[in-house]
Amino acid sequence: DVKVTQSSRYLVKRTGEKVFLECVQDMDHENMFWYRQDPGLGLRLIYFSYDVKMKEKGDIPEGYSVSREKKERFSLILESASTNQTSMYLCASTYGGGEEQYFGPGTRLTVT
Amino acid sequence: QKEVEQDPGPLSVPEGAIVSLNCTYSNSAFQYFMWYRQYSRKGPELLMYTYSSGNKEDGRFTAQVDKSSKYISLFIRDSQPSDSATYLCAMSIQGAQKLVFGQGTRLTINP
Repeated sequence: DVKVTQSSRYLVKRTGEKVFLECVQDMDHENMFWYRQDPGLGLRLIYFSYDVKMKEKGDIPEGYSVSREKKERFSLILESASTNQTSMYLCASTYGGGEEQYFGPGTRLTVT
Repeated sequence: QKEVEQDPGPLSVPEGAIVSLNCTYSNSAFQYFMWYRQYSRKGPELLMYTYSSGNKEDGRFTAQVDKSSKYISLFIRDSQPSDSATYLCAMSIQGAQKLVFGQGTRLTINP
Protein backbone atom coordinates (compact mmCIF):
# COMPACT_ATOMS: atom_id res chain seq x y z
CA ASP A 1 0.00 0.00 0.00
CA VAL A 2 1.10 3.52 -0.78
CA LYS A 3 1.87 5.45 2.35
CA VAL A 4 2.01 9.22 2.55
CA THR A 5 2.87 10.61 5.95
CA GLN A 6 2.81 14.15 7.25
CA SER A 7 4.95 15.34 10.11
CA SER A 8 2.18 16.70 12.33
CA ARG A 9 -1.57 16.15 12.65
CA TYR A 10 -2.16 19.38 14.55
CA LEU A 11 -0.01 22.48 14.75
CA VAL A 12 -0.51 25.84 16.46
CA LYS A 13 1.76 28.72 15.49
CA ARG A 14 1.89 32.44 16.11
CA THR A 15 1.56 35.14 13.48
CA GLY A 16 4.91 35.88 11.87
CA GLU A 17 6.49 32.52 12.66
CA LYS A 18 8.19 30.46 9.98
CA VAL A 19 6.37 27.15 9.62
CA PHE A 20 7.58 23.92 8.04
CA LEU A 21 5.20 21.15 7.02
CA GLU A 22 6.84 17.91 5.98
CA CYS A 23 5.51 15.16 3.75
CA VAL A 24 7.10 11.79 3.00
CA GLN A 25 5.95 9.09 0.56
CA ASP A 26 7.31 5.57 0.35
CA MET A 27 6.35 4.52 -3.19
CA ASP A 28 8.98 6.25 -5.30
CA HIS A 29 6.35 8.56 -6.78
CA GLU A 30 7.53 11.22 -9.19
CA ASN A 31 4.95 13.86 -8.38
CA MET A 32 4.07 15.40 -5.06
CA PHE A 33 1.49 18.04 -4.21
CA TRP A 34 0.49 20.41 -1.44
CA TYR A 35 -3.14 21.47 -1.04
CA ARG A 36 -5.09 23.43 1.47
CA GLN A 37 -8.69 22.61 2.25
CA ASP A 38 -11.16 25.12 3.59
CA PRO A 39 -14.92 24.86 4.17
CA GLY A 40 -16.83 26.00 1.11
CA LEU A 41 -13.68 26.29 -1.00
CA GLY A 42 -12.72 22.65 -1.44
CA LEU A 43 -9.18 21.55 -2.21
CA ARG A 44 -6.89 24.21 -3.64
CA LEU A 45 -3.47 23.42 -5.05
CA ILE A 46 -0.62 25.44 -3.55
CA TYR A 47 2.46 23.92 -5.22
CA PHE A 48 3.49 20.70 -6.84
CA SER A 49 6.75 19.05 -7.77
CA TYR A 50 7.35 16.60 -10.62
CA ASP A 51 10.98 15.84 -9.80
CA VAL A 52 13.67 16.51 -7.25
CA LYS A 53 14.42 20.23 -7.03
CA MET A 54 11.62 20.97 -9.51
CA LYS A 55 8.51 22.84 -8.50
CA GLU A 56 5.55 24.57 -10.07
CA LYS A 57 3.06 27.01 -8.67
CA GLY A 58 -0.47 25.87 -8.20
CA ASP A 59 -3.55 28.03 -7.88
CA ILE A 60 -2.72 29.79 -4.60
CA PRO A 61 1.09 29.95 -4.12
CA GLU A 62 1.21 33.37 -2.46
CA GLY A 63 2.70 33.27 1.03
CA TYR A 64 4.11 29.75 0.55
CA SER A 65 7.28 28.16 -0.74
CA VAL A 66 8.33 24.53 -1.16
CA SER A 67 11.42 22.39 -1.12
CA ARG A 68 12.11 18.99 -2.62
CA GLU A 69 15.69 17.89 -1.99
CA LYS A 70 14.93 14.16 -2.03
CA LYS A 71 12.41 12.26 -4.13
CA GLU A 72 10.44 10.98 -1.17
CA ARG A 73 10.18 14.25 0.74
CA PHE A 74 8.29 17.45 -0.08
CA SER A 75 8.19 20.36 2.33
CA LEU A 76 5.80 23.28 2.48
CA ILE A 77 7.12 26.47 4.06
CA LEU A 78 5.13 29.39 5.37
CA GLU A 79 7.73 32.15 5.48
CA SER A 80 5.73 34.36 7.85
CA ALA A 81 2.54 32.73 9.04
CA SER A 82 -0.65 34.76 8.99
CA THR A 83 -4.08 34.05 10.43
CA ASN A 84 -5.56 33.57 6.94
CA GLN A 85 -3.28 30.57 6.56
CA THR A 86 -5.19 28.70 9.24
CA SER A 87 -6.37 25.65 7.34
CA MET A 88 -6.11 21.91 6.75
CA TYR A 89 -3.00 21.14 4.68
CA LEU A 90 -2.92 17.97 2.64
CA CYS A 91 0.00 16.37 0.87
CA ALA A 92 -0.46 13.94 -2.03
CA SER A 93 1.70 11.94 -4.42
CA THR A 94 1.34 10.07 -7.70
CA TYR A 95 3.48 8.23 -10.26
CA GLY A 96 2.80 10.29 -13.31
CA GLY A 97 0.36 12.40 -15.23
CA GLY A 98 -3.38 11.97 -14.99
CA GLU A 99 -3.33 9.27 -12.39
CA GLU A 100 -4.92 8.95 -9.02
CA GLN A 101 -3.27 10.82 -6.17
CA TYR A 102 -2.67 9.33 -2.76
CA PHE A 103 -3.15 11.63 0.18
CA GLY A 104 -1.61 11.93 3.60
CA PRO A 105 -3.72 12.33 6.76
CA GLY A 106 -3.47 16.12 6.74
CA THR A 107 -2.09 18.75 9.10
CA ARG A 108 -4.56 21.07 10.75
CA LEU A 109 -2.66 24.33 11.19
CA THR A 110 -3.95 27.12 13.40
CA VAL A 111 -2.20 30.50 13.30
CA THR A 112 -3.04 32.78 16.21
CA GLN B 1 -17.66 29.12 -14.06
CA LYS B 2 -15.70 26.42 -12.26
CA GLU B 3 -14.22 23.61 -14.32
CA VAL B 4 -15.85 21.04 -12.04
CA GLU B 5 -19.14 21.63 -10.26
CA GLN B 6 -20.34 19.55 -7.33
CA ASP B 7 -23.25 20.23 -5.05
CA PRO B 8 -21.77 20.62 -1.55
CA GLY B 9 -24.95 19.37 0.14
CA PRO B 10 -25.28 18.44 2.92
CA LEU B 11 -27.15 15.31 1.90
CA SER B 12 -28.87 13.22 4.55
CA VAL B 13 -30.51 9.86 3.79
CA PRO B 14 -31.77 6.88 5.82
CA GLU B 15 -29.73 3.72 6.13
CA GLY B 16 -30.31 1.32 3.24
CA ALA B 17 -31.15 4.03 0.71
CA ILE B 18 -29.50 4.34 -2.68
CA VAL B 19 -27.35 7.44 -2.80
CA SER B 20 -26.51 9.32 -5.98
CA LEU B 21 -23.66 11.83 -6.01
CA ASN B 22 -22.91 13.87 -9.10
CA CYS B 23 -20.41 16.20 -10.74
CA THR B 24 -20.55 18.15 -13.95
CA TYR B 25 -17.56 19.50 -15.80
CA SER B 26 -16.82 21.85 -18.66
CA ASN B 27 -13.51 20.62 -20.08
CA SER B 28 -14.11 17.93 -22.70
CA ALA B 29 -10.42 16.93 -22.55
CA PHE B 30 -10.86 15.24 -19.16
CA GLN B 31 -10.30 11.51 -19.50
CA TYR B 32 -9.57 10.25 -15.98
CA PHE B 33 -12.29 10.41 -13.35
CA MET B 34 -11.99 9.66 -9.68
CA TRP B 35 -14.08 9.62 -6.54
CA TYR B 36 -12.48 10.18 -3.17
CA ARG B 37 -14.03 9.63 0.24
CA GLN B 38 -12.93 11.80 3.14
CA TYR B 39 -13.87 11.10 6.71
CA SER B 40 -13.91 13.94 9.18
CA ARG B 41 -10.41 15.15 10.09
CA LYS B 42 -8.76 12.67 7.72
CA GLY B 43 -7.15 12.87 4.27
CA PRO B 44 -9.12 11.85 1.17
CA GLU B 45 -8.84 8.20 0.15
CA LEU B 46 -9.35 6.97 -3.40
CA LEU B 47 -12.65 5.15 -3.78
CA MET B 48 -13.15 4.70 -7.52
CA TYR B 49 -11.05 5.37 -10.60
CA THR B 50 -12.37 5.25 -14.15
CA TYR B 51 -11.02 6.05 -17.55
CA SER B 52 -13.23 7.54 -20.25
CA SER B 53 -16.96 6.70 -20.46
CA GLY B 54 -18.94 3.85 -18.98
CA ASN B 55 -19.64 2.21 -15.66
CA LYS B 56 -17.44 0.65 -13.05
CA GLU B 57 -18.69 -1.35 -10.12
CA ASP B 58 -16.95 -2.20 -6.85
CA GLY B 59 -19.11 -3.82 -4.23
CA ARG B 60 -21.85 -1.40 -3.23
CA PHE B 61 -20.29 1.42 -5.25
CA THR B 62 -20.83 2.19 -8.94
CA ALA B 63 -19.09 4.98 -10.81
CA GLN B 64 -20.64 6.21 -14.02
CA VAL B 65 -19.15 8.54 -16.62
CA ASP B 66 -21.15 10.18 -19.41
CA LYS B 67 -18.67 12.16 -21.48
CA SER B 68 -21.29 13.32 -23.96
CA SER B 69 -23.12 15.11 -21.13
CA LYS B 70 -19.94 15.94 -19.18
CA TYR B 71 -21.46 14.31 -16.13
CA ILE B 72 -20.16 11.76 -13.65
CA SER B 73 -21.98 9.97 -10.87
CA LEU B 74 -21.26 7.79 -7.89
CA PHE B 75 -24.01 5.45 -6.69
CA ILE B 76 -23.96 3.84 -3.27
CA ARG B 77 -26.33 0.91 -2.77
CA ASP B 78 -27.55 -0.28 0.62
CA SER B 79 -25.98 2.76 2.26
CA GLN B 80 -24.52 2.32 5.75
CA PRO B 81 -23.80 4.82 8.55
CA SER B 82 -20.10 4.12 7.92
CA ASP B 83 -20.56 5.70 4.45
CA SER B 84 -21.10 9.07 6.15
CA ALA B 85 -18.28 11.23 4.81
CA THR B 86 -17.48 13.93 2.29
CA TYR B 87 -17.22 12.65 -1.28
CA LEU B 88 -15.02 14.51 -3.75
CA CYS B 89 -14.97 14.01 -7.48
CA ALA B 90 -11.72 14.66 -9.34
CA MET B 91 -10.66 14.51 -12.94
CA SER B 92 -7.66 15.09 -15.15
CA ILE B 93 -6.38 15.27 -18.69
CA GLN B 94 -4.10 12.52 -19.95
CA GLY B 95 -0.50 13.47 -19.28
CA ALA B 96 -1.39 16.32 -16.93
CA GLN B 97 0.15 16.31 -13.47
CA LYS B 98 -2.74 18.05 -11.80
CA LEU B 99 -6.18 16.89 -10.77
CA VAL B 100 -9.17 19.20 -10.75
CA PHE B 101 -11.44 18.60 -7.76
CA GLY B 102 -15.06 19.28 -7.11
CA GLN B 103 -15.98 21.04 -3.91
CA GLY B 104 -17.11 17.83 -2.22
CA THR B 105 -20.56 16.64 -1.07
CA ARG B 106 -21.08 16.03 2.62
CA LEU B 107 -23.17 12.86 3.07
CA THR B 108 -24.80 11.58 6.26
CA ILE B 109 -26.45 8.16 6.49
CA ASN B 110 -28.92 8.04 9.36
CA PRO B 111 -29.40 4.71 11.21
